Formats: sequence, C-alpha cells, structure tokens
Amino acid sequence: NAGVTQTPKFRILKIGQSMTLQCTQDMNHNYMYWYRQDPGMGLKLIYYSVGAGITDKGEVPNGYNVSRSTTEDFPLRLELAAPSQTSVYFCASSKDPARQPQHFGDGTRLSIL
Amino acid sequence: GEDVEQSLFLSVREGDSSVINCTYTDSSSTYLYWYKQEPGAGLQLLTYIFSNMDMKQDQRLTVLLNKKDKHLSLRIADTQTGDSAIYFCAEGLRNDYKLSFGAGTTVTVRA
Repeated sequence: NAGVTQTPKFRILKIGQSMTLQCTQDMNHNYMYWYRQDPGMGLKLIYYSVGAGITDKGEVPNGYNVSRSTTEDFPLRLELAAPSQTSVYFCASSKDPARQPQHFGDGTRLSIL
Repeated sequence: GEDVEQSLFLSVREGDSSVINCTYTDSSSTYLYWYKQEPGAGLQLLTYIFSNMDMKQDQRLTVLLNKKDKHLSLRIADTQTGDSAIYFCAEGLRNDYKLSFGAGTTVTVRA
C-alpha cells in the first residue's frame, strides 16, 4: 500500500525557474493538503483541496499554485522560484478531516539558489 | 484562534520517561494528534485522542488531555534511542478541513 507518494525527493532550482512538485495518493481520499516546513516553525499550510476540481488557499499561498483534476493527484507549482521558497514540502491526505488523521508523504526537499 | 504551542527541545536519558507538552487555544477542537518525524522523513501518526476523552494509552504511549486548561501531553515510557525525533502536536477543529500544528518538540535520547 503506497499511501501518499511525493516526487522528487530532492531538487535544486535557480532563482526564477519554475517546477511542479508531484503528489499522488492511492487511498481514495477526497481531502489533500500541501505544507511547507521551515526549521523551528512547524508546518504551514499552503493550499488544500476538498475534492477533485476544488482547491483553496491556506496560510501561505503566495508564490504557489495548485490544481486537482483527479482524486489521486494534487500537484504544487512554483512559477518563479525565490530563495524564500527554500523549504521541505509535505503533501498529506485525509478521508474525513473531522474524524480521521492526515497521512503524510516523505517530503520534497527544495533549495533555491 | 488556532495557536498550538510546544516547547522546542527535550533531552531525556535512555530508559526514563519523556513527557512532551502542548497547549492549544481553540475550544472547538475535535481530535488532537501526535505525529513523529524522524530525520529526513515525513510525519508519522503516533496516536490521537478525541476531545471528549481524558486519557488514551497505547503500549508505551500515554496521552493526557486537560480540556479546562487546553493542555495535551504525550508520555513515552522507557524511552529508547529510536524515540529521538521531532514530535508535533496538532489540533483538528469542528467544521474545518485543516489541522493546526505546533512548531514541534525535538526529543534527544542520551545514553
């Protein structure tokens, strides 16, 4: 059972480049989330989705975009990479956020130089 | 508000008990979670407690919830070197799709 799968695991970008962080889950969860983790800051929610075709902003959405064309996939796009976006990015999913925990991927470690 | 606070560091001797504390501010919380993050890995769910419970025990883990003081704790009995990790407290809210996370407590187990 794969759970939540994130690719790539590591990436180095130059300032101004763009990239897409991939996230897929095989648990048929409607709810999916993108977080970033900075040292000593815990997790900050970037975007979330309550189902295919529906997305909404979290606490720190600026500089990012998402789409949710299928239940399984929830890619996160960085259009113009900036050094402030150097972070570890986690994708998570949940069947029912009021009653079930979120399941996390292993993360993507992104450096912007 | 949705502020969740934790102390940042805890050092414990192998074989002793660890107690990690967390405070939250929103009284409409439904579930409270403890996640464990080992170096270079994602967050692994350790345990969780429903907001109408006071205590939950699961092998070496004991969760205590004081709703009056909005205080949550995680006790790890007989702490082992494999328990060295960052532990996150998270709060789920009624009528909300999101979790609110604390900054994480780094637990270091020394021999």
